[in-house]
Amino acid sequence: GEDVEQSLFLSVREGDSSVINCTYTDSSSTYLYWYKQEPGAGLQLLTYIFSNMDMKQDQRLTVLLNKKDKHLSLRIADTQTGDSAIYFCAESPNSGYALNFGKGTSLLVTP
Amino acid sequence: DTAVSQTPKYLVTQMGNDKSIKCEQNLGHDTMYWYKQDSKKFLKIMFSYNNKELIINETVPNRFSPKSPDKAHLNLHINSLELGDSAVYFCASSPEQLTQYFGPGTRLTVL
Repeated sequence: GEDVEQSLFLSVREGDSSVINCTYTDSSSTYLYWYKQEPGAGLQLLTYIFSNMDMKQDQRLTVLLNKKDKHLSLRIADTQTGDSAIYFCAESPNSGYALNFGKGTSLLVTP
Repeated sequence: DTAVSQTPKYLVTQMGNDKSIKCEQNLGHDTMYWYKQDSKKFLKIMFSYNNKELIINETVPNRFSPKSPDKAHLNLHINSLELGDSAVYFCASSPEQLTQYFGPGTRLTVL
């Protein structure tokens, strides 16, 4: 199938904002998701956005959705070293019974 | 009070063996899933069950057989293990086709 695309690496300084971008494939996806995976750990749901929304803010996290371009972004304000992890974008195409993940963006936060 | 649990966390075995991974969720969700994460961190759906019925069966070798004894459990049995089966296997659950919650993962190493 088609791929959900993400850049593989991002490095930011502590206190700066991080922006992780994603291009998804299926315009029928009802929800779009961001998951976080810390080293050796499982997938933690960070946030999600309903497809009829343009933006969602949740504390330090802001999700922007551009349906026309099928572009999703995650902004983390005041990035901390504990935010270092892999961030996965995911769409829920077709029946919605499976998530189609991007390859993940490794975020490194340096002091 | 873990929502989605998997056992074992680590599994090391020889080629040709048969092994099972168990998954349980106490969230009252109707739908459960198995995903495989390869060495490059790529996540791909394997199976999806809704109310104990198989909904999705992606291109997975028939050596892999999911079994759902009840709505709270979805076990994964693997016959004749091969080197390429080495990966991290994640179980997840969701209320119908909504947000999925993941277990901690089972790291399978085939020698």
